[in-house]
Amino acid sequence: DAGITQSPRYKITETGRQVTLMCHQTWSHSYMFWYRQDLGHGLRLIYYSAAADITDKGEVPDGYVVSRSKTENFPLTLESATRSQTSVYFCASSVTGLAGGTGELFFGEGSRLTVL
Amino acid sequence: DAKTTQPTSMDCAEGRAANLPCNHSTISGNEYVYWYRQIHSQGPQYIIHGLKNNETNEMASLIITEDRKSSTLILPHATLRDTAVYYCIVRVSGGYNKLIFGAGTRLAVHP
Repeated sequence: DAGITQSPRYKITETGRQVTLMCHQTWSHSYMFWYRQDLGHGLRLIYYSAAADITDKGEVPDGYVVSRSKTENFPLTLESATRSQTSVYFCASSVTGLAGGTGELFFGEGSRLTVL
Repeated sequence: DAKTTQPTSMDCAEGRAANLPCNHSTISGNEYVYWYRQIHSQGPQYIIHGLKNNETNEMASLIITEDRKSSTLILPHATLRDTAVYYCIVRVSGGYNKLIFGAGTRLAVHP
């Protein structure tokens, strides 16, 4: 089905483990984003990507790694998970980042991660 | 980056118009105002955006003041399904389309 999908939807892991959250979109959107959402902090941008092989840091990048070898995939890796990374993670995509575009972000359903 | 200020929460009766205000006094001339909403644990959903002129679509209307320092999102006939957190965002200018979300306004629509 077309759209943006995240996996896994729910994940429980232990401190120090490596975790990868997957994001896949079928629209061939150029831009992709990772946000985390915590009570009291709202949505915070972790990393974003303008195209394959182009990524950049957002507001809270520490402890996360991203890659974008293909336009449709934008995995987020926690190399050594910590309890403070317990959160809901949202992936999003957008057609364009240029001033003339609508700038609409399309969000996935989220991945709920618990780090014990 | 321009900041936005929104009330923490608002109430609205079903069938009435919901008017959600947003202050963005430091907005730059080429920065857009965006509105998104998030319904209970779902991913945020785009509602509308504008630069200078008022905008309307099938979901809402956006009224931007002449000096662009504030705006109002109007849901003309609120329903229970409009209960959500509404985010007013000023788009960061400069190439990348990243949006920085604030705390938003929690709108409760009641019967």
